[in-house]
Amino acid sequence: QVQLVQSGAEVKKPGASVKVSCKTSGFTFISYGFTWVRQAPGQGLEWVAWISANNGDTHSALTLRDRVTLTTDSSTSTAYLEMRGLRTDDTAVYFCARKPTSQPLDYWGQGTLVTVSS
Amino acid sequence: DIQMTQSPSSLSASIGDRVTITCRASQGFSDYLAWFQQKPGKAPRLLIYAASTLQSGVPSRFSGTGSGTDFTLTITTLQPEDVATYYCQKYDGVPLTFGGGTTVEI
Repeated sequence: QVQLVQSGAEVKKPGASVKVSCKTSGFTFISYGFTWVRQAPGQGLEWVAWISANNGDTHSALTLRDRVTLTTDSSTSTAYLEMRGLRTDDTAVYFCARKPTSQPLDYWGQGTLVTVSS
Repeated sequence: DIQMTQSPSSLSASIGDRVTITCRASQGFSDYLAWFQQKPGKAPRLLIYAASTLQSGVPSRFSGTGSGTDFTLTITTLQPEDVATYYCQKYDGVPLTFGGGTTVEI
């Protein structure tokens, strides 16, 4: 069955970097794109970025573009989100989700809590 | 970028009630509109896509309508397990913008 399993919670200091992984199984990894969505405590869902596992194309939210890097590793069917220059307002649960072409986000990871605090 | 505005931001209803949530886009787009349900501490769950297509396994009391700029999610007979926050999202190209969410309480 389709599964997306994310790495564990992280605690970082302001200015640090974090890399969250999303290991997938149960489908052909390179046939899909992957989207990252975050949710600050008590807030709504915010789209962060998208990557194509087929050709590596990426798109990021304008406000995060300078600090976010998306990568994939097809040998392990894993997608990665790296965020640099962390700020306290980056504290959130980060979700990965599978994004088929012209289709909605159909399968989601369990979420990774990233806490940024001095 | 297209903005998505949901209303109301929260509502309280009784078991068995009909519940309607609205999502309005700042400009028209295709019917690449999805609705998600999120319960506390959980990932969102896809309910409806292409504005009106029910995702496999989702109860038939959920339905979606709309096109252009105005979309609606309806729960025909509210059940206790429907207590959650509901989000709309456009998914035709980037950014994949979400609405602000509607919290449904009993």
